[in-house]
Amino acid sequence: EVQVVESGGGLVQPGGSLRLSCAASELTFSGYWMNWVRQPPGKGLEWVATIRADGSETYYVDSVKGRFTVSRDNAKNSLYLQMNSLRAEDTAVYYCARDRGYCTGESCYCLMDYWGQGTLVSVSS
Amino acid sequence: AIQMTQSPSSLSASVGDRVTITCRASQDIRNDLGWYQQKPGKAPKLLIYAASNLHSGVPSRFSGSGSGTDFTLTISSLQPEDFATYYCLQDYNYQLTFGGGTKVEIK
Repeated sequence: EVQVVESGGGLVQPGGSLRLSCAASELTFSGYWMNWVRQPPGKGLEWVATIRADGSETYYVDSVKGRFTVSRDNAKNSLYLQMNSLRAEDTAVYYCARDRGYCTGESCYCLMDYWGQGTLVSVSS
Repeated sequence: AIQMTQSPSSLSASVGDRVTITCRASQDIRNDLGWYQQKPGKAPKLLIYAASNLHSGVPSRFSGSGSGTDFTLTISSLQPEDFATYYCLQDYNYQLTFGGGTKVEIK
């Protein structure tokens, strides 16, 4: 069974840090790019970060660059999001999502086909 | 960053209706676009990738079209389980952006 499970959310003060984890089965994780997507309460989806399958490159939305770091441990089938200097506007449910990817010719497309249930991060004093 | 403008932001429809949702990109994104469905309290689900390709297991009443800057998600005959919020996502470059969402409600 395919499973993607996030953990590590909670309440943190502005300026604080939090580390999110995402555990996946080997079939779900190995060889795939992985993403973090967030959703503030009552609002829409926002892509946060992506990491390549081998961890060689990472990509971030501008609003978290320099504050968040995405990483992975392929031996543990785990994805992480280290969040520093947290702000109130980072309050959201954070989802981990696998990118199955689809390539044809010279083009490759993003397919976020498996998602976790999300973990809530609340930044407040 | 590429802006994705989705319309309408909400709509009311009846079971059996044909529903169309549009997404406009602020620049040419070829066909680098997906559509996702989200129900309250749940994670999003992939419906369409590469603008017009139906993801495995998604009912054929869902279809996508478009290229360049203008894209459409169509539900040919709305079913009770389709009441949800729909998002487009551009993956032209690795500054991915979602549209603002379209909430499909029961009339």
